[in-house]
Amino acid sequence: DTAVSQTPKYLVTQMGNDKSIKCEQNLGHDTMYWYKQDSKKFLKIMFSYNNKELIINETVPNRFSPKSPDKAHLNLHINSLELGDSAVYFCASSAGAGGNTGELFFGEGSRLTVL
Amino acid sequence: QKEVEQDPGPLSVPEGAIVSLNCTYSNSAFQYFMWYRQYSRKGPELLMYTYSSGNKEDGRFTAQVDKSSKYISLFIRDSQPSDSATYLCAMGRPQGAQKLVFGQGTRLTINP
Repeated sequence: DTAVSQTPKYLVTQMGNDKSIKCEQNLGHDTMYWYKQDSKKFLKIMFSYNNKELIINETVPNRFSPKSPDKAHLNLHINSLELGDSAVYFCASSAGAGGNTGELFFGEGSRLTVL
Repeated sequence: QKEVEQDPGPLSVPEGAIVSLNCTYSNSAFQYFMWYRQYSRKGPELLMYTYSSGNKEDGRFTAQVDKSSKYISLFIRDSQPSDSATYLCAMGRPQGAQKLVFGQGTRLTINP
C-alpha cells in the first residue's frame, strides 16, 4: 500500500496549458509538501501545508497554486506552463510541522515536460 | 554561495570498495543532518539522520558531522551494486522538517 502517491507520473504538455498534479498520503501525517527537482537534481521546496494551512510559500511564480482539501491531500495546479517548468515534482509528507526528525516521505514524483 | 554544496559526481567504484560522500554548508544554524538515497525514477528516502555533531552507524553506513568545519560525510563500507543511486545530503534548522535544504546529490555507481 503506497504511503505517498501522486498522479500522474508523467505529463507532457504544450506551453501555455494548465495542468494539475494530485497527491495523497495514508501515513496520518499533518504536514505535506511540494518539492521541485530540476534536471541537475536540485531538490527545492515550493510549498508546505500543515493541517490544510499554508505554512511555507517559497519564491514560486503565482502561476503555481497549491490546494489542500484535507490533511491527507495536497494538489498542485500550474497555469500557463512555461518551458522552465519542466522538472520532476515531488509530493512529500512528515509527521507534524514542528517535527525535528527531518524524515520526509516522498512520492515517486511527477515528471512534467513542457514542449 | 549555495547554503549546501555537494559534488554531483558521477562517482563510479568497484563492488566492495569504501565510498565516501561529502557535503559542506555555510549556515551555522543547521542542527539536523540527513542523507537521503534516491534510486532512478523514484522519490528520495531517508537513509541516515544525525543531530548536531558526531558519528552514527547503521550497518554498512556511517554518517559523520563536523560542525566546526561545516562538513558532513557518509561512508559506505563493502559497497554493493544495490547501493547504486543518487545520495542527497539535507540539513535542517531547529524549526523542523519543513526547513530542509538539500544538496545537489552525488550519483554513485557500484560496478560488479
